[in-house]
Amino acid sequence: GQNIDQPTEMTATEGAIVQINCTYQTSGFNGLFWYQQHAGEAPTFLSYNVLDGLEEKGRFSSFLSRSKGYSYLLLKELQMKDSASYLCAVRGSGNTPLVFGKGTRLSVIA
Amino acid sequence: DSGVTQTPKHLITATGQRVTLRCSPRSGDLSVYWYQQSLDQGLQFLIQYYNGEERAKGNILERFSAQQFPDLHSELNLSSLELGDSALYFCASSVAGGPDNTEAFFGQGTRLTVV
Repeated sequence: GQNIDQPTEMTATEGAIVQINCTYQTSGFNGLFWYQQHAGEAPTFLSYNVLDGLEEKGRFSSFLSRSKGYSYLLLKELQMKDSASYLCAVRGSGNTPLVFGKGTRLSVIA
Repeated sequence: DSGVTQTPKHLITATGQRVTLRCSPRSGDLSVYWYQQSLDQGLQFLIQYYNGEERAKGNILERFSAQQFPDLHSELNLSSLELGDSALYFCASSVAGGPDNTEAFFGQGTRLTVV
């Protein structure tokens, strides 16, 4: 089976940096994904990690440690529009579909 | 706009009824996934189709069924509806269905309310 854990809620200040953690336990591993979802809207793809290390994409970075079953999403220079849920998802072995965590609801305050 | 189209956007129906949700994947995508998202739950994987055939099954109830047609659009049928089936239903598509796949692109979802 697969188990994905991430904090339920986080609050951060506009302009600051926030790190959202995700731990996972899967039978097999074929990639970890981060999605952003605004309330009532579709999830949108942010990043993908399949090898250990940091992937940077503008204000967003994602890190993966396969040996620890751990990833984080780093958001820099936070803006109010970054208030959303951030979903960690893992693809297990073979061609299994993405399994999502329950998401972390981030509130950015002034 | 992800390129994945779902209809209808909203649906209100009574308990015991049957509904059909429709999804058109991005042009060229062969894989279609269906997910259910309730208030307290994350995205729960229901079922995947690849090029017309069922590829993977998740937590899909026996009252629910799906299919993918030759033109690659997909339909999710929900029958004998219960109050607890009220949720957002998302369809996602991706190019392939195998391990070399990358991200899935999500439609805007169908909000189903069972009263």
